Amino acid sequence: GDSVTQMEGPVTLSEEAFLTINCTYTATGYPSLFWYVQYPGEGLQLLLKATKADDKGSNKGFEATYRKETTSFHLEKGSVQVSDSAVYFCALSFNNRKLIWGLGTSLAVNP
Amino acid sequence: DTAVSQTPKYLVTQMGNDKSIKCEQNLGHDTMYWYKQDSKKFLKIMFSYNNKELIINETVPNRFSPKSPDKAHLNLHINSLELGDSAVYFCASSQSGNSNQPQHFGDGTRLSIL
Repeated sequence: GDSVTQMEGPVTLSEEAFLTINCTYTATGYPSLFWYVQYPGEGLQLLLKATKADDKGSNKGFEATYRKETTSFHLEKGSVQVSDSAVYFCALSFNNRKLIWGLGTSLAVNP
Repeated sequence: DTAVSQTPKYLVTQMGNDKSIKCEQNLGHDTMYWYKQDSKKFLKIMFSYNNKELIINETVPNRFSPKSPDKAHLNLHINSLELGDSAVYFCASSQSGNSNQPQHFGDGTRLSIL
């Protein structure tokens, strides 16, 4: 069945470090791919998305590229801030009725 | 102008009680969801309604019963609460038929069973 695998956390970085959170997927067909972020005490919110191969989603300095050949959608940011501390979820969907979620990766950024 | 609002935000109750959580969205979406998030942040879909019709019903105990009086509301009633029900419950909504549109989440209801 369809599934999403993301790197286990927690990830701890110093401010201004480079961030990569790996996400790979298994799916029949070509899903849309999403990264959601959950800040402490809040609900999830969409961070970025990509709907077809080679699309790059970007928002708030974060980027992820839809790689069909490696079935990946890795999240990157060149210089993290303390305010980026959150849990990040990778997800896929075919018709937006049901999202298939990764387990989430907790990120802690220290000043 | 909260897009997806859930009440209550916190719910502390004793084992065996019955409780309800309410959710409303003002985005005009036709699909709503209930998720359960455990202490390890694992997110599990429980139910989904599209235009008041149940379309996703994952393996959830019968003690959980969703109700959608209209497409802007999706409530969750839980009977005979158990310790394992302690979690954060999230409501979400989206517009079906367009995979470009994201799901919008409420801020969650933190349920603690004593």
